[in-house]
Amino acid sequence: GAVVSQHPSRVICKSGTSVKIECRSLDFQATTMFWYRQFPKQSLMLMATSNEGSKATYEQGVEKDKFLINHASLTLSTLTVTSAHPEDSSFYICSAGLAGASSYNEQFFGPGTRLTVL
Amino acid sequence: AQTVTQSQPEMSVQEAETVTLSCTYDTSESDYYLFWYKQPPSRQMILVIRQEAYKQQNATENRFSVNFQKAAKSFSLKISDSQLGDAAMYFCAYRSASNHNDMRFGAGTRLTVKP
Repeated sequence: GAVVSQHPSRVICKSGTSVKIECRSLDFQATTMFWYRQFPKQSLMLMATSNEGSKATYEQGVEKDKFLINHASLTLSTLTVTSAHPEDSSFYICSAGLAGASSYNEQFFGPGTRLTVL
Repeated sequence: AQTVTQSQPEMSVQEAETVTLSCTYDTSESDYYLFWYKQPPSRQMILVIRQEAYKQQNATENRFSVNFQKAAKSFSLKISDSQLGDAAMYFCAYRSASNHNDMRFGAGTRLTVKP
C-alpha cells in the first residue's frame, strides 16, 4: 500500500517550453503533497507544499510563477515548470502525506522525474 | 530552523560486517520524528527506519537499528550483516511534530558495500 507514482519518469525538452510532471497517490488519499528538487549528489530540497484545493506554499527562493503547482484532487498534484531553462534541469521528486495519518505522518515518495532542458 | 547534519559523505563496509552512519540535528523542539531513508541508484526513496523523539527505546528493523541520543541530538544508523543491496545513498531526516509539513534532510552518506 501507499504507492506514489510520477509521470513522466524522464523528460527532455527545449529551452523555453513548459513541462508538466504528475504525482499520483495510487491507493490512498493525500491531503498534502510535497515537491522536492535534487541536484546530482546532493540532498532533497523542499520546493513547495501543496494542500488539496488550496494554493501551494513555496519555500524561500522558489519562484512560484516558474514552478506552478496544482493539487486538484486528493490523489493528484502537478508541477509545471514554465519556460524551462537548462538550469532547471534536475531530478524532481514528489511525496504524499497520508490523510488522517498516524503519529508518524509519514511521507511516501514517488520514483522521481529527471528533467533535462536543452 | 532545524538543520540536519551528516558528517560522512562516503562510507565503506565489507559485506557481512557492521557499519554506523552518523547524523546530528539541531532543534529547539521537544517532540519530533527522525527518519533514515535509503536512495538506491533507482533514485526511489525508501524508508529504512523511524523514531519518535518521545520514545526512549531505540527503533530496530531487522538488520537496521538506531542509536538515538536525544540530549546529544544524535541519531545514528547501524547496519548489521551488510549486504550488497545495502549500497545506496542514506539520508537522515527530521520532521517537526508541530508542523508536519516541515521535513528536513541531511546531505546524505554514500554507502559502498565491498564483496
